Amino acid sequence: AQSVTQLDSHVSVSEGTPVLLRCNYSSSYSPSLFWYVQHPNKGLQLLLKYTSAATLVKGINGFEAEFKKSETSFHLTKPSAHMSDAAEYFCVVSDRGGADGLTFGKGTHLIIQP
Amino acid sequence: DAGVIQSPRHEVTEMGQEVTLRCKPISGHDYLFWYRQTMMRGLELLIYFNNNVPIDDSGMPEDRFSAKMPNASFSTLKIQPSEPRDSAVYFCASSLQGTLRQPQHFGDGTRLSIL
Repeated sequence: AQSVTQLDSHVSVSEGTPVLLRCNYSSSYSPSLFWYVQHPNKGLQLLLKYTSAATLVKGINGFEAEFKKSETSFHLTKPSAHMSDAAEYFCVVSDRGGADGLTFGKGTHLIIQP
Repeated sequence: DAGVIQSPRHEVTEMGQEVTLRCKPISGHDYLFWYRQTMMRGLELLIYFNNNVPIDDSGMPEDRFSAKMPNASFSTLKIQPSEPRDSAVYFCASSLQGTLRQPQHFGDGTRLSIL
């Protein structure tokens, strides 16, 4: 069985400050992990993915995430927030390579204060 | 690359009516997924297809929902009869054949309101 927990439903940061969105997972196998972003009235867009290669993964728009097996975490970070980063972010885990193995987190709403 | 195309973008109809949502996946993608997103339940997988064949429909809420994929470039999700609790955003996504650790590409969704 697999699951993913996004620890914060809302995160608010000031523009230009670092962003941290937390995600913990549980998996019976070696997982693949993804972060998606959803802007208002849009579909989900892939930010980055981890598939058992380098543990530090770089994605689009300056985001990166680090896979930590010992902590079962895959937190998303960005050094400096931009107003355009305001959106909903989803952590996704897959550990069986099947479509029914994809599990989405509940999402974290990122608010950027001017 | 045109991306996944969904239509209509918005649909408002009265309960009891039939609703048909449409999806065109990315050319060459072998997997197609239908999701429903609500505030209460988040993102739920309804059904997915591989090479036009339905593989898992265990997420379909009830018999009022049906999905078809008559060819590699088109899929429909139908609700008949519709009910107010079906109001949600419905997303279609597609991905390349493989381990399914390939990322899924999402359309912009259909916002459905049942009055």
